[in-house]
Amino acid sequence: DIQMTQSPSSLSASVGDRVTITCRASQTISNYLNWYQQKPGKAPKLLIYAASSLQSGVPSRFSGSGSGTDFTLTISSLQSEDFATYYCQQSYSNPITFGQGTRLEIK
Amino acid sequence: EVHLVESGGGLVKPGGSLRLSCAASGFTFSDFGMNWVRQAPGKGLEWVSSISSSSTYIYYADSVKGRFTISRDNAKNSLYLQMNSLRVEDTAVYYCARLSGKYCSGGNCPIDYWGQGTLVTVSA
Repeated sequence: DIQMTQSPSSLSASVGDRVTITCRASQTISNYLNWYQQKPGKAPKLLIYAASSLQSGVPSRFSGSGSGTDFTLTISSLQSEDFATYYCQQSYSNPITFGQGTRLEIK
Repeated sequence: EVHLVESGGGLVKPGGSLRLSCAASGFTFSDFGMNWVRQAPGKGLEWVSSISSSSTYIYYADSVKGRFTISRDNAKNSLYLQMNSLRVEDTAVYYCARLSGKYCSGGNCPIDYWGQGTLVTVSA
């Protein structure tokens, strides 16, 4: 199975900050890497697919990059509604696996 | 608008069974692969099972293989998960999720829509 490791596990930041979350795969997954946002009590929401493609309707302050085993999610200027938990997921091969999540909290 | 509505969750004793359903609307259900993904209380996301649009390809996580069965009825726009021999560690919110159909690898695609989830609690 492909293991997905996110860092950090939690992060405190302020509105307006630039934030970067990283995700590392245990083996190469090309760019079959997706990012999701989840707020408490809600279902996850797709933000980025194919490592760097912005899902329709997602604000442009979200961006993704990377290929192979190392990936990043960047939020260019944090808004209050961005405080949530973020998950990376590989869709390269079965079983589909998620990172453990990064909780983004208000400083 | 795409809607996925799960039902069938509840409290069940270890060793018991439950059948989850997911009613889909707002899109041509028979065109899309579907997943079940679960989330234990306070924990991360865990993929459970996938089924292709015509049920040709079915996959399970090792943790549920032999106990859970995924199926779909395209005429009824519905997805199902039959869960047998339930264990305490199966306690979770179970999400029905649609595979986007774009940028896929081996039938795996990004998940572009999720239901609201249904809670399954396995406890004596």
